Amino acid sequence: NAGVTQTPKFQVLKTGQSMTLQCAQDMNHEYMSWYRQDPGMGLRLIHYSVGAGITDQGEVPNGYNVSRSTTEDFPLRLLSAAPSQTSVYFCASSPQGEGYTFGSGTRLTVV
Amino acid sequence: GQQVMQIPQYQHVQEGEDFTTYCNSSTTLSNIQWYKQRPGGHPVFLIQLVKSGEVKKQKRLTFQFGEAKKNSSLHITATQTTDVGTYFCAGHRSLGYALNFGKGTSLLVTP
Repeated sequence: NAGVTQTPKFQVLKTGQSMTLQCAQDMNHEYMSWYRQDPGMGLRLIHYSVGAGITDQGEVPNGYNVSRSTTEDFPLRLLSAAPSQTSVYFCASSPQGEGYTFGSGTRLTVV
Repeated sequence: GQQVMQIPQYQHVQEGEDFTTYCNSSTTLSNIQWYKQRPGGHPVFLIQLVKSGEVKKQKRLTFQFGEAKKNSSLHITATQTTDVGTYFCAGHRSLGYALNFGKGTSLLVTP
């Protein structure tokens, strides 16, 4: 099992550009989530999904879209990148009622 | 919305000293989870507590869930340099809802 795979690992965007952060898991987990981590702010939930076709907003959803067409994939779309979206992004998955497995993260810089 | 508060934000101890971090929620939680993140790494799941008043141990780590299911603690006995990292608590209001993280406690252990 590869676990949770995030791509790319690093990305630099210009303000206004759009991009998709990829997340895939091969553990057949129902739950998947996207978090961003900024210094002193901990992990803040962007969007989450409790199953294919079901998504919901977290604490900081503005500027991001998600979809969950399959159990395995949960991409995060930045619609129009802003410097405030410079962060480390983590994707995580879990079976219902259990702990999350995190990906290794994507370091995004918006200039 | 649900908030999970964690204290202290930082803790610096000498190797061999004990360490405790506390987690408090504004609402009753269905469960509490604890994660550890090494510098430059991703969060790794440690344990989940579900029952009111539950206590679990993992070697030198002791985890407690409060009777009201609103607070939790992680205690490390006789810290080692390998304990360095940031410890996060996270809680679900109920299954199917978001997993919200505290801001974490960064532990530094000097030999």
